[in-house]
Amino acid sequence: QVQLVQSGAEVKKPGASVKVSCKASEYRFTSYDMHWVRQAPGQGLQWLGWIDPDSGGTYYPHNFQGRVTMTRDTSTSTVYMDLRRLKSDDTATYYCARASRVGLAPIEYWGQGTLVTVSS
Amino acid sequence: EIVLTQSPGTLSLSPGERVTLSCRASQTVGSNFLAWYQHKPGQAPRLLIYGSSRRATGIPDRFSGSGSETDFTLTINRLEPEDFAVYYCHQYRSSPVTFGGGTKVEIK
Repeated sequence: QVQLVQSGAEVKKPGASVKVSCKASEYRFTSYDMHWVRQAPGQGLQWLGWIDPDSGGTYYPHNFQGRVTMTRDTSTSTVYMDLRRLKSDDTATYYCARASRVGLAPIEYWGQGTLVTVSS
Repeated sequence: EIVLTQSPGTLSLSPGERVTLSCRASQTVGSNFLAWYQHKPGQAPRLLIYGSSRRATGIPDRFSGSGSETDFTLTINRLEPEDFAVYYCHQYRSSPVTFGGGTKVEIK
């Protein structure tokens, strides 16, 4: 069964950076893109982008370009999401998530979520 | 970017009722690239429907999806107590993938 285990909660000050990890297991790590999605308190789901764990290629939506970086370590089957210049409205639960299959496919598997709190 | 608009924002219903949720896309999504999720507080979202109308593994048949191009519907027959949650539609036809704003189904 696909497992995605994320790092623990973080508290950061405005202007700082946060790096969240997501360790994958029970499937071939390099075969499936990994997405990052967040949910701010009282808000909906917002997509931050994806990384191809095989090539390291990434795609970030326009509103996160320049502020988010996704990387991977194939030796440990772990992906990382680094978000810089944090603001209070970056306070959210961040999820890594994997699609159900290769190619155009819905996100089916989710990590447990990591709460990032940005507060002075 | 494909914008997904869900309506209504909130529905107040009783167990046993039937509910229909709407998701409208700003551009065509086709019929194969629209999914629905159920999201409860403190949990990860749960995939209910993909490909507009296909139930994900383990999803009860009281959940059904329909639609194509720009108009999609999620129907829940006979609401169970565990169905009260927020529901999101999601298009994965093109990047950036996007989610709708959600519809909250609450107990009346």
